[in-house]
Amino acid sequence: GAVVSQHPSWVICKSGTSVKIECRSLDFQATTMFWYRQFPKQSLMLMATSNEGSKATYEQGVEKDKFLINHASLTLSTLTVTSAHPEDSSFYICSATSGISYEQYFGPGTRLTVT
Amino acid sequence: KNQVEQSPQSLIILEGKNCTLQCNYTVSPFSNLRWYKQDTGRGPVSLTIMTFSENTKSNGRYTATLDADTKQSSLHITASQLSDSASYICVVSSNAGNMLTFGGGTRLMVKP
Repeated sequence: GAVVSQHPSWVICKSGTSVKIECRSLDFQATTMFWYRQFPKQSLMLMATSNEGSKATYEQGVEKDKFLINHASLTLSTLTVTSAHPEDSSFYICSATSGISYEQYFGPGTRLTVT
Repeated sequence: KNQVEQSPQSLIILEGKNCTLQCNYTVSPFSNLRWYKQDTGRGPVSLTIMTFSENTKSNGRYTATLDADTKQSSLHITASQLSDSASYICVVSSNAGNMLTFGGGTRLMVKP
């Protein structure tokens, strides 16, 4: 089946620094990738949708200058959290679709802790 | 406003018992409904996906039902195992499947 990986699986960074999270589709070409954030005991919240080669579409309330998304190829999307604050600490999950079926394939998630 | 409501929020059952999780939605236009299992600290894993015309779909010990008229779905787990302990998320999609509305999830704990 379709596999989506994320790297790193967990990261700790200091306030004010930037951190990049990668999302890769391993065995299919992802026409669209999605980035979600999940706080403890809550469900996933969509942050942005990105299509290969075009600018990401951000959900209301998500700062596009803080959460930079790049979808440069059909197998890779990156999320960069800039000038991280402790309140950015969360579980970040990406998903991808191939455009062939309805299915969204989720990555394993990245735990970000900002100290 | 598109919404997906799940009940109960949490559930504790004994190993070997059955349980049923509920999902009500007000998503329009409807494309499909999915159930995901999410282990703590992991991404969601798809259990079933049902379109408008499907009433029931099974995946091993998991059986999902869909009533598109009443906009309700259920996930039935048979002969629960300790490894079934997880959050179960109901997700309804619209607009050809790319717009997802997530339910709040049901946290299931299976005890020995």
